[in-house]
Amino acid sequence: AQSVAQPEDQVNVAEGNPLTVKCTYSVSGNPYLFWYVQYPNRGLQFLLKYITGDNLVKGSYGFEAEFNKSQTSFHLKKPSALVSDSALYFCAVRVDTGRRALTFGSGTRLQVQP
Amino acid sequence: GAVVSQHPSRVICKSGTSVKIECRSLDFQATTMFWYRQFPKQSLMLMATSNEGSKATYEQGVEKDKFLINHASLTLSTLTVTSAHPEDSSFYICSAKGGRRTGTGTENIQYFGAGTRLSVL
Repeated sequence: AQSVAQPEDQVNVAEGNPLTVKCTYSVSGNPYLFWYVQYPNRGLQFLLKYITGDNLVKGSYGFEAEFNKSQTSFHLKKPSALVSDSALYFCAVRVDTGRRALTFGSGTRLQVQP
Repeated sequence: GAVVSQHPSRVICKSGTSVKIECRSLDFQATTMFWYRQFPKQSLMLMATSNEGSKATYEQGVEKDKFLINHASLTLSTLTVTSAHPEDSSFYICSAKGGRRTGTGTENIQYFGAGTRLSVL
């Protein structure tokens, strides 16, 4: 079975400060890891993914994430937050074989204050 | 990135009616599409996996006769909520798994539609 944990329901950060949204995962096999962002009443937008290769992955809108195999984590980061980054962020995982559907974390609401 | 179009964006219907939601991959062929349901302030729950030309695979607890899925072509999957009731009110989101395109690495990414908010009165 595969699972994802996002331990924080909400993260608050001031504009211009760095942000981190945490994610840990559990899979049997090699993980494919993803971050998506959701704005109100909208579908999910793909931010970035880790399949293989460099542990630091760069994605859209200045976001990046670091894959840490020993800690089974894939935290989302951005050096300088913008008010427009305020949204709901989902971490997702699937394994490289078998079931292809993503398993999502519970989501973390990011609130960036001006 | 790849585009997935979902229609309609919002539906309000009376109890007992059926509602069809369409999901189209606009610029790529999607052999696999997924249907998710999202309750307020909750994560996405996978309902079913749809493969072109074959029957959908439903997750445990999802009623096959209630949520009919058809994936007739490589660019279109439909979800029909039959005899909808107020408890079916939710946000339904489809996604399509990217087809292989040389050099873009899109084949491992799921692209999502904008979602359909269903309200059953």
